[in-house]
Amino acid sequence: GDSVTQMEGPVTLSEEACLTINCTYTATGYPSLFWYVQYPGEGLQLLLKATKADDKGSNKGFEATYRKETTSFHLEKGSVQVSDSAVYFCALSDANDMRFGAGTRLTVKP
Amino acid sequence: SQTIHQWPATLVQPVGSPLSLECTVEGTSNPNLYWYRQAAGRGLQLLFYSVGIGQISSEVPQNLSASRPQDRQFILSSKKLLLSDSGFYLCACDRPRGGYTFGSGTRLTVV
Repeated sequence: GDSVTQMEGPVTLSEEACLTINCTYTATGYPSLFWYVQYPGEGLQLLLKATKADDKGSNKGFEATYRKETTSFHLEKGSVQVSDSAVYFCALSDANDMRFGAGTRLTVKP
Repeated sequence: SQTIHQWPATLVQPVGSPLSLECTVEGTSNPNLYWYRQAAGRGLQLLFYSVGIGQISSEVPQNLSASRPQDRQFILSSKKLLLSDSGFYLCACDRPRGGYTFGSGTRLTVV
């Protein structure tokens, strides 16, 4: 079945460092891809999405490009801030079925 | 825009006690609704989903049940809690243009 694999954490970076969190997927159809963010003690928030190959989702300085040839949707940010510390989930949706990755915890130190 | 309300935010319950967690949705009609559990430091586990009033699908056999008495109300219940029921419970609904909107969650500790 469809699945998502994302890099294991935790990831610790200094403020203003570059971020990449890898996400790859397996799907039989043409899924939509998502990144969610979960701040401490809160629910998940949709961060960005892409619905077809070569689409780029972006929000709050984060970007991810739907790469069909490599079945990837890596999350990137050029300069992270302390406030970006959170758990990030990659997910895919095909029809009405949403599959989440295991989550990657990011800690940004001042 | 959609908003999901969950309560309570935190709950401490003894083993063997009943449970009722409520989720209500605003800003949408006839949504697909979901209950997820997140164990400490782990990913999301889909527990139940509902496509309409009275329609519940269970993804994992367990000590929990769900009900949908109204279009925008989704309730998670248990008759007798186990220690293993501890976790962070999240309600979610479909967004019109893809993805989910999540509630703020209920942290349940069974002692």
